[in-house]
Order: sequence, then C-alpha cells, then structure tokens
Amino acid sequence: VQLVESGGGLVQPGGSLRLSCEASGFTFSSYWMSWVRQAPGKGLEWVANIKEDGSEKYCVDSVKGRFTISRDNAKNSLYLQMNTLRAEDTAVYYCARDMAFDYWGQGTLVTVSS
Amino acid sequence: SYELTQPPSVSVSPGQTARITCSGDALPKQYAYWYQQKPGQAPVLVIYKDSERPSGIPERFSGSSSGTTVTLTISGVQAEDEADYYCQSADSSATYRVFGGGTKLTVV
Repeated sequence: VQLVESGGGLVQPGGSLRLSCEASGFTFSSYWMSWVRQAPGKGLEWVANIKEDGSEKYCVDSVKGRFTISRDNAKNSLYLQMNTLRAEDTAVYYCARDMAFDYWGQGTLVTVSS
Repeated sequence: SYELTQPPSVSVSPGQTARITCSGDALPKQYAYWYQQKPGQAPVLVIYKDSERPSGIPERFSGSSSGTTVTLTISGVQAEDEADYYCQSADSSATYRVFGGGTKLTVV
C-alpha cells in the first residue's frame, strides 16, 4: 500500500491550491478516504472524507464552503481543492485510508503567507 | 462539535507501564484507534477497533475500553516508544472523524 501526496506549496491568503493523493497497492474504489492535517507543532486534525463512490462527503466545520474533497477511482486518486486559504490552514496535509487510518502518505506542506 | 480528551503528557521510566487515556461521549458506540507519531514522520496505527493490534506492532502495545474512556497501555516501555500518541474515533452518527489532542510520552 502506498499513498503519495502532491500539490503543496506557498500560497497567499485568499488563494487556492489543489492537493492530490495517488494510491496504489489496494483496491482504491473499495475504501472511504480522508484528508488529515497537522499545523506546525500541533496535533492531528481530520479535514474531510469521501465515500467509496464519491456519493457522500463530510468535512470539519472550519473548512466548510472553502475546501472540496473529490476522487477519481479510474485514476486511483484523491483530491482536495482548497479555496480562500487562510494563515491557519498552514499545515502538512496527509491523505489516509478511512476509517482506521491504517495507511498514510508522507504528507505535503501547505504554507499560507504573504 | 465532538471532542476527544487526552492528557497532554505522560512520563515513565524504561521498563514501566505507560497508560494513556482518551475520553469521549460517543466512545461506547464508536471504535477507537491509536496512532504513534515520531518527529518528522507520518502517524502509525498501533491499535484499531479499541483493542486490536496490527501486524508488526509489538505485543507490549494494547488497548482497552470502558464506558466513555479508552486506554492505550504500553507495557515494558522502551526508549524507542517515546513519541506523541493520538486517539481517533467518530461522532455518534459515525459521520465525522475526530482526533484527540495528543499525548507526549516521555521515557525518562
């Protein structure tokens, strides 16, 4: 099992970024998937998850209306579209297999700063 | 919003037993999971479904549940066990996931 995140970087407040997570080694279309973030020096925070077929999506209140989770099972890929970014969104973003979070990627760093 | 509560820190001497608790109202209904995270690394699952241990995790790691509290127990703590530990579960509707604030285990 391997999860590889990409798409992080430096973005100005109010800007947008799209994270990707490419999965391999398991039947991606059979699992809920999640994004989890960790601000510098802080704990883990669950951000959003999506059902196997994409028909259900949930997210933490602090990102509602700004972040959108999606997936492409044909490409074994998970995405996180992040809009109207704020300084407090600065974190390492991990994708993980829901609900046990038994496999994690290495994370991708998002820095929101002017 | 739903919360899981952990002690910020726990200290033990090598060879002793460390116990880390996690409290939450929905824990009688929802399974808990535990993760170990060392600096600069992604978290690693050490206990799933309250008390199950994934393959490759040492037997000294165990989990238990009682009412609204779950406990991660590390028996015969070793220096390599020094890390941050997080519990994770879902709210009562099983819709939202939540992590505890994390506990820093220090082996002194």
